[in-house]
Parts: sequence; C-alpha cells; structure tokens
Amino acid sequence: DTEVTQTPKHLVMGMTNKKSLKCEQHMGHRAMYWYKQKAKKPPELMFVYSYEKLSINESVPSRFSPECPNSSLLNLHLHALQPEDSALYLCASSLPRTSGDQTQYFGPGTRLLVL
Amino acid sequence: AQTVTQSQPEMSVQEAETVTLSCTYDTSENNYYLFWYKQPPSRQMILVIRQEAYKQQNATENRFSVNFQKAAKSFSLKISDSQLGDTAMYFCAFIGNYQLIWGAGTKLIIKP
Repeated sequence: DTEVTQTPKHLVMGMTNKKSLKCEQHMGHRAMYWYKQKAKKPPELMFVYSYEKLSINESVPSRFSPECPNSSLLNLHLHALQPEDSALYLCASSLPRTSGDQTQYFGPGTRLLVL
Repeated sequence: AQTVTQSQPEMSVQEAETVTLSCTYDTSENNYYLFWYKQPPSRQMILVIRQEAYKQQNATENRFSVNFQKAAKSFSLKISDSQLGDTAMYFCAFIGNYQLIWGAGTKLIIKP
C-alpha cells in the first residue's frame, strides 16, 4: 500500500477551468515532487519542494502553480491548461537531500484530460 | 551529462521463466543510488529494488535481484520465476543530485 496518496484519480477539465491536484504523504518526508508523465515515456520533473519551500522549477509554464501548505501536503493548481497538458501527474516524496537517501516514493497519480 | 540507457524497448517471456532487463548509466558522481521502478497498466509507479553505489553486494528483494557492475556502469534487473503480475513497464533510474535520471523504459510482457 502506498503511503503517498493523490486526489482525484481522474480529472477532466476545459481550457478555461481552474482545478487543483492534491498529494499527501504520511512518511515523514521533507521533500516532495510533481512529475508529468506522457504515455510510454518516463516521468518529467516539474517541481521540487524541500522543507516546504520551492527549490526546483523545471521551467514549467505559469498555468501550473504548485503550493506546499505543510510538510505533508502538496498541491498543484491548474488554470487555462492546453490539450497537450493532458497526462498522468505523479507526486512523490523522499527524505531531504541532506539525508543521503533520496529514494522517491510515488503516489498513484492523477490522470488529467484537458478538452 | 548524466544518462540512463535501457537497450530493450520490449521483452516477453513465458510465466515462470527468468528474465533479465539491461541498464547502463553514465555519471561522474561517486555516491549515488540506483533504482528499478515498475509501472503496471494501472500506472502506479512502484519501487522494485534499489542499490547504493558504495555497496558492492548486489541488492535482492524476493524474486528480484540486480547485477551491479560499478566500473562498467551497468545495473541489470533479474526477475526469477516470473509471474503474470510482473507484466509492466520497467524503468531504470539513478539519483545523484536530487533529481532522478530515467531510462526510456522496457515493456515486459509475461505470457501464460
């Protein structure tokens, strides 16, 4: 059983909608990640939070807005998305970089379809 | 540049057979972790096994084991007594500086 949860499992939205993806981890980790994954491809890193602060933004368009309200929660706010943003969005968590062990554990993902 | 290469886009074997998935990587770092992740049709990304580069002993998790050759920068995954539930995309990856570097994946099909 995964200790990283994501909601919703599926999301269909129009290009003018505003929606949010939620990720929660109960592993005591202090690093959290958002990935985007297209079919048959490896995940692409979008954002990294370390100790609730944004540490990496991989040049993601501003229509994606991450938020880390506390050490257990990670949100991804979506606004004015494009059809090409349709993908599986994965959340992951790990111990902080300073720990040495940065094994990432993934949630089940949110399948997003933009119409 | 840090890269991971999985040279087998797709493999298929009969149930109960043993199968080995290949992975080579390139990094200039000395301390790093290597991983095999499994992604079944549900698309849940599941950690299968991990190896710490400074450990010479190959990691083992039940039917899954690795052959880690640090000098050759090779990290293959062996699945023994394969089961239908092993059907999935398998990704090799390593992390040296916060970011996971992924291979392109190998699609493994276990046939009954």
